[in-house]
Amino acid sequence: DAGITQSPRHKVTETGTPVTLRCHQTENHRYMYWYRQDPGHGLRLIHYSYGVKDTDKGEVSDGYSVSRSKTEDFLLTLESATSSQTSVYFCAISARGGPDTQYFGPGTRLTVL
Amino acid sequence: AQTVTQSQPEMSVQEAETVTLSCTYDTSENNYYLFWYKQPPSRQMILVIRQEAYKQQNATENRFSVNFQKAAKSFSLKISDSQLGDTAMYFCAFLRSNDYKLSFGAGTTVTVRA
Repeated sequence: DAGITQSPRHKVTETGTPVTLRCHQTENHRYMYWYRQDPGHGLRLIHYSYGVKDTDKGEVSDGYSVSRSKTEDFLLTLESATSSQTSVYFCAISARGGPDTQYFGPGTRLTVL
Repeated sequence: AQTVTQSQPEMSVQEAETVTLSCTYDTSENNYYLFWYKQPPSRQMILVIRQEAYKQQNATENRFSVNFQKAAKSFSLKISDSQLGDTAMYFCAFLRSNDYKLSFGAGTTVTVRA
């Protein structure tokens, strides 16, 4: 257990609405990540953070933004949700102080109708 | 992005027997990490095993072991004495040294039969 929680765990929303997912960690890890999981694709990196206010894009960042104003919280925002963003979203941290082994939160299932 | 290929979408094994999952990857890097993650029906992603590319010795964790063939870019996972709780999807993943982008294969669903 790497002390990672995600909220909400499930969410159903409508196309065009803004959505924010929260990742919270309790162990002061510097690196945090957001992934999405879709059938046939494994997990794909959306955005990551290497410190407070330090973020960068991943493989599938279009339509997503992130913010990290505190070490413990990493927020993922869908400014205007689309049906293609229906997915399971995972937050992760690197536990060794650098870009190494990643540990995952429990996931958030998001459905955009 | 690095390419990670898991060629077996599904596998089935009898309880107490052994199953081997294949994974190949494509990279020109010399320093990197390889991982196997397990995702049971609960959806939680659980780290199973980690291998550093510069280490020739294959990693083991209890009933889980890998066969790391660097020249062949192959990283297979062996599950020995399979248990019902091993039923899950297994993902192979690649991470370049000093990079942040973990690249995953599409996964292999393993079903352990009683």
